Amino acid sequence: EAGVAQSPRYKIIEKRQSVAFWCNPISGHATLYWYQQILGQGPKLLIQFQNNGVVDDSQLPKDRFSAERLKGVDSTLKIQPAKLEDSAVYLCASSLPDQGETQYFGPGTRLLVL
Amino acid sequence: DQQVKQNSPSLSVQEGRISILNCDYTNSMFDYFLWYKKYPAEGPTFLISISSIKDKNEDGRFTVFLNKSAKHLSLHIVPSQPGDSAVYFCAASDAGKSTFGDGTTLTVKP
Repeated sequence: EAGVAQSPRYKIIEKRQSVAFWCNPISGHATLYWYQQILGQGPKLLIQFQNNGVVDDSQLPKDRFSAERLKGVDSTLKIQPAKLEDSAVYLCASSLPDQGETQYFGPGTRLLVL
Repeated sequence: DQQVKQNSPSLSVQEGRISILNCDYTNSMFDYFLWYKKYPAEGPTFLISISSIKDKNEDGRFTVFLNKSAKHLSLHIVPSQPGDSAVYFCAASDAGKSTFGDGTTLTVKP
């Protein structure tokens, strides 16, 4: 069974530029999560989708971050414009709808904002 | 306010000995607790979990203990192996929404 795929793996941009991350969850996993992990900290939930609907985006900085999950499969997370403090690893995870406690993570995208 | 805390940033143990990783939480609504393991440049991988109605769950060398009255859980690894060296994250779930601690880096010395 293929795991959660993410791309790109690394991205370096300058502040005020925009960037987008892509995630393909495990087949059949209806729930998809985006996390931000700052160095030395645990993953922090940004947004949770159930199919193509948003379940929780209370921690998403909506003035600069946006996410979508068209057709309930792949998802993209965008930052526009980026700030220095956005430097982090962005993790995508997925889970079965009735087993949301156990999440399967992708390798993450490491973002550096200069 | 951090709802899930791992107070030890790092732990070093000798191969073959027991590793004990600790986690404290504050939210009484958490009903499921998990441990994830993370190697460098990889995402976290699920290790073991426990429901709030239990006080112990065992899977091979890994055992998780839950003390609800103290709002404390621990992960025991016996015997520890060099391949167990990684960052361990404690997570607590409320209705499917997980909150993570900041992790403990375990180093197992040969």
